[in-house]
Amino acid sequence: DGGITQSPKYLFRKEGQNVTLSCEQNLNHDAMYWYRQDPGQGLRLIYYSQIVNDFQKGDIAEGYSVSREKKESFPLTVTSAQKNPTAFYLCASSSPGGERNTIYFGEGSWLTVV
Amino acid sequence: GEDVEQSLFLSVREGDSSVINCTYTDSSSTYLYWYKQEPGAGLQLLTYIFSNMDMKQDQRLTVLLNKKDKHLSLRIADTQTGDSAIYFCAESVNGNKLVFGAGTILRVKS
Repeated sequence: DGGITQSPKYLFRKEGQNVTLSCEQNLNHDAMYWYRQDPGQGLRLIYYSQIVNDFQKGDIAEGYSVSREKKESFPLTVTSAQKNPTAFYLCASSSPGGERNTIYFGEGSWLTVV
Repeated sequence: GEDVEQSLFLSVREGDSSVINCTYTDSSSTYLYWYKQEPGAGLQLLTYIFSNMDMKQDQRLTVLLNKKDKHLSLRIADTQTGDSAIYFCAESVNGNKLVFGAGTILRVKS
């Protein structure tokens, strides 16, 4: 079945460590996104990529980095520079220009700093 | 800038109708969306409406759009306990970027 796979589902990080969240999609979508979700704040855009080897900062990119070496993969690295990384992270993809221009989401990854 | 606002909480009895409201600011939004999120899961697209439409009905779901007031609503008929979740309104900005509201927690009492 087509979809978006995020891993791991749960991740614990010690302060000062970098961690990488994986996102893979087999929907043949050109665009991919990373959102962060905190209670009561909805979703905030971290980074997005509209095409392979290109990506743009979203609203809260500081302390995060991404790469887009393959169409189906868009990993997110949470660096030690991110001061408050504990959150629920959602990866998404879409096919820009499609009829609905709809964004589809993965099941999310919980990151906790211990 | 873009901003989407929703009420934070709604409680209804099973079998009643639920109406979740949303206001947005970007008048150039092409599509407006409603997503549903169950605990610990990703967002599931429920329905969407194109900006030149006033209403869209999809089974128990009815979306109403008032472009003049930039107001969007989602009505769920015959609300069931399985409808308990967080509902997000979102507007499309600059073609393919979505701006989300903070979400409305819907609680259905049996």
